[in-house]
Amino acid sequence: NAGVTQTPKFRILKIGQSMTLQCAQDMNHNYMYWYRQDPGMGLKLIYYSVGAGITDKGEVPNGYNVSRSTTEDFPLRLELAAPSQTSVYFCASSYGYYEQFFGPGTRLTVL
Amino acid sequence: AQKVTQAQTEISVVEKEDVTLDCVYETRDTTYYLFWYKQPPSGELVFLIRRNSFDEQNEISGRYSWNFQKSTSSFNFTITASQVVDSAVYFCALTPNSGGYQKVTFGIGTKLQVIP
Repeated sequence: NAGVTQTPKFRILKIGQSMTLQCAQDMNHNYMYWYRQDPGMGLKLIYYSVGAGITDKGEVPNGYNVSRSTTEDFPLRLELAAPSQTSVYFCASSYGYYEQFFGPGTRLTVL
Repeated sequence: AQKVTQAQTEISVVEKEDVTLDCVYETRDTTYYLFWYKQPPSGELVFLIRRNSFDEQNEISGRYSWNFQKSTSSFNFTITASQVVDSAVYFCALTPNSGGYQKVTFGIGTKLQVIP
């Protein structure tokens, strides 16, 4: 099993550009999550999904969008990138409320 | 509302010392899960342990041990004979066990530095 995979690993965006962070899991988990982690800070939940076709906002959803058309994939879309979105983004999945398995992260810089 | 407090933001120990990372939580739910995760310098978060609120037995895994005390709402993590590879940020987390989606609350993390 590959677990949770994320692409890209690094990305630099210019202000106003858009991009999609890809996330996939092969563990057949129903729950999936997107977090951001700023330097020296904990994890902040952006969006989550409890199954294909069902998504909901977390603590910091502004400036982001998600979709979940399949159990495996949970892409995060950044529209009109801003410097405040410079962060490390983690995708995670879990079977219900059991432990979460995290991807390796995407380090995004917006200049 | 639920809350996880990791009061120690940074700890430094010399290799082979024992170290305890504190985690105190608040929840109104009667059943819940507690977790510890490790984030080494490489950046990836790794699951360490899950504990059900029904189970107050302490757990030991090699040099790692966990002390769950419901009476004090604490779930502390001890590393015995610390090693440089233990250097990481450690996160404690809590989620209710009451059906449907329940928010996972993470603490802000404790950065452990083990000095050789």
